[in-house]
Amino acid sequence: AQSVAQPEDQVNVAEGNPLTVKCTYSVSGNPYLFWYVQYPNRGLQFLLKYITGDNLVKGSYGFEAEFNKSQTSFHLKKPSALVSDSALYFCAVRGYNTDKLIFGTGTRLQVFP
Amino acid sequence: GAGVSQSPSNKVTEKGKDVELRCDPISGHTALYWYRQSLGQGLEFLIYFQGNSAPDKSGLPSDRFSAERTGGSVSTLTIQRTQQEDSAVYLCASSPDRNRGNTIYFGEGSWLTVV
Repeated sequence: AQSVAQPEDQVNVAEGNPLTVKCTYSVSGNPYLFWYVQYPNRGLQFLLKYITGDNLVKGSYGFEAEFNKSQTSFHLKKPSALVSDSALYFCAVRGYNTDKLIFGTGTRLQVFP
Repeated sequence: GAGVSQSPSNKVTEKGKDVELRCDPISGHTALYWYRQSLGQGLEFLIYFQGNSAPDKSGLPSDRFSAERTGGSVSTLTIQRTQQEDSAVYLCASSPDRNRGNTIYFGEGSWLTVV
């Protein structure tokens, strides 16, 4: 069965510092990996995805993520955090033999001025 | 429309009543998903429609929950005899087709409160 783990419920970072939100996955075959962001009282917004190719994927709002097959990880990163990045972030995975997108439990990012 | 549209955006209902939640996917998208997000919880898969194929209902939590998709477009999620534990945000999403590399686009959700 496929699964996603986001080990941190909350990540706190000062504005201007780099941020990392962690994600590990378990899936049969090659994974399709996604990051979404959810602002308060809103739906989910797509940030970026890894399908194949370069392990470093760049997405919206300056975010990027690195696919690491040996560590089965897909951590979300940003070189310089903004207060406006404060939100709930979800990692998701889809295996090669399933249509469902399975989500992690989410990580709340708090960026302090 | 430009995005996935859901209605109502907010619904308060009494325990035991039936509710219907509507989803209008992005035009031309053949794949449609329903997820549930309870307070403080992650996203729970409920049901998936792809074109004319039989839906994947494996995530529906009980037989009080059902969904249909008419004409391959609009979908309705129905919850019968609502219970307080049904209170959650119900998110609809769509995708161009079943290609697993496709991005899934979400609506703003329907916030259901059962009192």
